[in-house]
Amino acid sequence: ETGVTQTPRHLVMGMTNKKSLKCEQHLGHNAMYWYKQSAKKPLELMFVYNFKEQTENNSVPSRFSPECPNSSHLFLHLHTLQPEDSALYLCASSQDVWDRANYGYTFGSGTRLTVV
Amino acid sequence: KQEVTQIPAALSVPEGENLVLNCSFTDSAIYNLQWFRQDPGKGLTSLLLIQSSQREQTSGRLNASLDKSSGRSTLYIAASQPGDSATYLCAVKDSGAGSYQLTFGKGTKLSVIP
Repeated sequence: ETGVTQTPRHLVMGMTNKKSLKCEQHLGHNAMYWYKQSAKKPLELMFVYNFKEQTENNSVPSRFSPECPNSSHLFLHLHTLQPEDSALYLCASSQDVWDRANYGYTFGSGTRLTVV
Repeated sequence: KQEVTQIPAALSVPEGENLVLNCSFTDSAIYNLQWFRQDPGKGLTSLLLIQSSQREQTSGRLNASLDKSSGRSTLYIAASQPGDSATYLCAVKDSGAGSYQLTFGKGTKLSVIP
């Protein structure tokens, strides 16, 4: 285990469904991130939270809604998705957004999302 | 805007060979550079992190170097094994206020043939 746990590992949902992805970190970090990884494209940053406050929304459509109730938990709520939203969604954490300790980022195993 | 390029996109080598993966970045004002490994359909595993003040880092058979002035990093893998087969990603964290995201390359897919 990497210290960052994502559930579920796989998710298949219809375009009218509502589902949520969950991320939990046990590293005592204060920054958490959502990334999207599509085939043949670099990882795309979606959202950033630092000490529970959202510091970045990288022009993500409103059908993706993040929630960070505390520094250890991060959710991504999904509704009325499109087939092109099918991808691997990765959660990451770091000590803070500036990585002042220079320890880098720790990633979870990801959720493979398929929208049908 | 920082851009990260990894060459080659794919590499196939026989077991036992030493190999080098390349990463280049356009803005040399970086805070650190991190190498990750990704197995198919899985998350990212951190391999090595090089701070901007460092020239290299080593872990087992892996050695990563950093030349900030030329905007390059290399990941050297000694005595490659089939278990090293994976995609290797390079990610750069810029320095400066407001620079709090990683910029990733597209990765190099490595296949080590037994």
